[in-house]
Amino acid sequence: ETGVTQTPRHLVMGMTNKKSLKCEQHLGHNAMYWYKQSAKKPLELMFVYNFKEQTENNSVPSRFSPECPNSSHLFLHLHTLQPEDSALYLCASSQDPQGGSPLHFGNGTRLTVT
Amino acid sequence: QQQVKQSPQSLIVQKGGISIINCAYENTAFDYFPWYQQFPGKGPALLIAIRPDVSEKKEGRFTISFNKSAKQFSLHIMDSQPGDSATYFCAARRNYGGATNKLIFGTGTLLAVQP
Repeated sequence: ETGVTQTPRHLVMGMTNKKSLKCEQHLGHNAMYWYKQSAKKPLELMFVYNFKEQTENNSVPSRFSPECPNSSHLFLHLHTLQPEDSALYLCASSQDPQGGSPLHFGNGTRLTVT
Repeated sequence: QQQVKQSPQSLIVQKGGISIINCAYENTAFDYFPWYQQFPGKGPALLIAIRPDVSEKKEGRFTISFNKSAKQFSLHIMDSQPGDSATYFCAARRNYGGATNKLIFGTGTLLAVQP
């Protein structure tokens, strides 16, 4: 079982669809993150949760809605997305959101919006 | 001020050669500088990290050189191997004193090590 598991690995959705990305971490970490990775761009931090409380929303459009029911699970609910939202969405966790503890990433969900 | 500039965008090195990737920053409040390695189809993974109180850190074939006055840091991969072929991201952390750990990433360098 890998440390951070993301499902699905690939997702194709139309602009009017509603879908959700799921992330689960088995590392006992307290902080979880959503990042967006686009070609030739830096990884963009989207949301941060610490002890299942959202501590960061990096000016993300409301068509992305995160949910963190507990410290081990993180969801990203998607609705009425745009083609420019096509990217690799990475979930990560760390022991805490403050210190130098490393981020542990999942393998991502490759999202294509048609 | 929040950017981390990474170069080159891509790099081809012969097996056994030295791979060098450079990063520069402007915000002197950054206090932690990790490098992440990402293989195709995988998420990034922490490779090595340095804090600004040291000028160099070495782990096996991987070395970070840090120049605080120039606000630059670089990753050196000695004796590069085909298995090192991956995308490398530098990053810098701005610690807001108890608030969220904000890592600012570079744009990545695609390294190809030819056999």
